[in-house]
Amino acid sequence: KAGVTQTPRYLIKTRGQQVTLSCSPISGHRSVSWYQQTPGQGLQFLFEYFSETQRNKGNFPGRFSGRQFSNSRSEMNVSTLELGDSALYLCASSNRGETSQETQYFGPGTRLLVL
Amino acid sequence: AQSVTQLDSQVPVFEEAPVELRCNYSSSVSVYLFWYVQYPNQGLQLLLKYLSGSTLVKGINGFEAEFNKSQTSFHLRKPSVHISDTAEYFCAVRAGGYQKVTFGTGTKLQVIP
Repeated sequence: KAGVTQTPRYLIKTRGQQVTLSCSPISGHRSVSWYQQTPGQGLQFLFEYFSETQRNKGNFPGRFSGRQFSNSRSEMNVSTLELGDSALYLCASSNRGETSQETQYFGPGTRLLVL
Repeated sequence: AQSVTQLDSQVPVFEEAPVELRCNYSSSVSVYLFWYVQYPNQGLQLLLKYLSGSTLVKGINGFEAEFNKSQTSFHLRKPSVHISDTAEYFCAVRAGGYQKVTFGTGTKLQVIP
């Protein structure tokens, strides 16, 4: 099975711009979660989607948004970029069903640099 | 609410020596516990997980962890480390139901030749 893929792998943007990151989960996985990783804050949960519905949301401003498509692929969008948004954005998919006994599989991440 | 504390931000250890990376959690309900490893410029890879059953969990690359409910700990151990184990290790917890996963701040393991 192919793993979780994220595109693009690297991005450079300037303040005020917006960006869209994409994540393709492992085939058959319906849950996709997004995390922001920075040296100062560590791994912080952004949101989780399951069957096209946002199931959980972290404590991020409304500039951060996401969605999930019927094929389970997910996108996250950051509008009005700030310097502090520079980070590694990680996507994880899982085969979460009716129980919580699932494992998250992570993609390689998208490294975003905001200048 | 759930939380995870990794007590050591960095752990240096000589090659072939044993290592323990500490993790404590807090939660008002039963939890599922995970250890992940992150190599430079890569995503996270699952090392092992505790869902239920035996409190001693064996994972990949010779790592194991023991779930201690009374001490709310889930420490990661390896009896003999290799240079290739140099990486950052994250402990994570998920409470029951459909709660989000909470990660610790990570422990950088540096294996010294």
